Amino acid sequence: DTAVSQTPKYLVTQMGNDKSIKCEQNLGHDTMYWYKQDSKKFLKIMFSYNNKELIINETVPNRFSPKSPDKAHLNLHINSLELGDSAVYFCASSRRHDRGYTFGSGTRLTVV
Amino acid sequence: GDSVTQMEGPVTLSEEAFLTINCTYTATGYPSLFWYVQYPGEGLQLLLKATKADDKGSNKGFEATYRKETTSFHLEKGSVQVSDSAVYFCALSENAGGTSYGKLTFGQGTILTVHP
Repeated sequence: DTAVSQTPKYLVTQMGNDKSIKCEQNLGHDTMYWYKQDSKKFLKIMFSYNNKELIINETVPNRFSPKSPDKAHLNLHINSLELGDSAVYFCASSRRHDRGYTFGSGTRLTVV
Repeated sequence: GDSVTQMEGPVTLSEEAFLTINCTYTATGYPSLFWYVQYPGEGLQLLLKATKADDKGSNKGFEATYRKETTSFHLEKGSVQVSDSAVYFCALSENAGGTSYGKLTFGQGTILTVHP
């Protein structure tokens, strides 16, 4: 199936731990994104990569570090997790000049 | 900066009722406009889009018209079904000539519940 796939779907971890979320797309899209959705459903962009190059880096703590080994993958590593990091994180991709996104199904991160 | 404002929810309707979810935007250029839908436990799916003024996007019985004069993109459906229960997001993207590479700015989402 052509899609944007994220792993894991659920992640429960303790404060202070380091964790990673992986994202892969097989749509041939040039641009990939990470969005954070809070408990009130509000979506905010965190990062965007175009052909492995970081192009959007919103006001996100340095504890969050994206990595794009190739244009089909965009991973998110989070250091020293805090309670406020609990949210659903969505990966998405799009073509450069086609601004409809394809979203992954999300990773629900719970920090306890 | 760009922003999107949606009507506050939640919206609760009976099956076959008429749906309107209001959306207005603020943008410096000529954005493209989108509606996304998020079903429970799932990611967002593109519902419809419009790329220039007076365009009408439509899909699955939903429609929205890009109104530049009122900076609006209201979502409508003539007869909702229980299966339409979801969260609906209005969004905009700067035009292709910009350097945003399609960054989407979302509204706050509107929860729709349809009862039988």
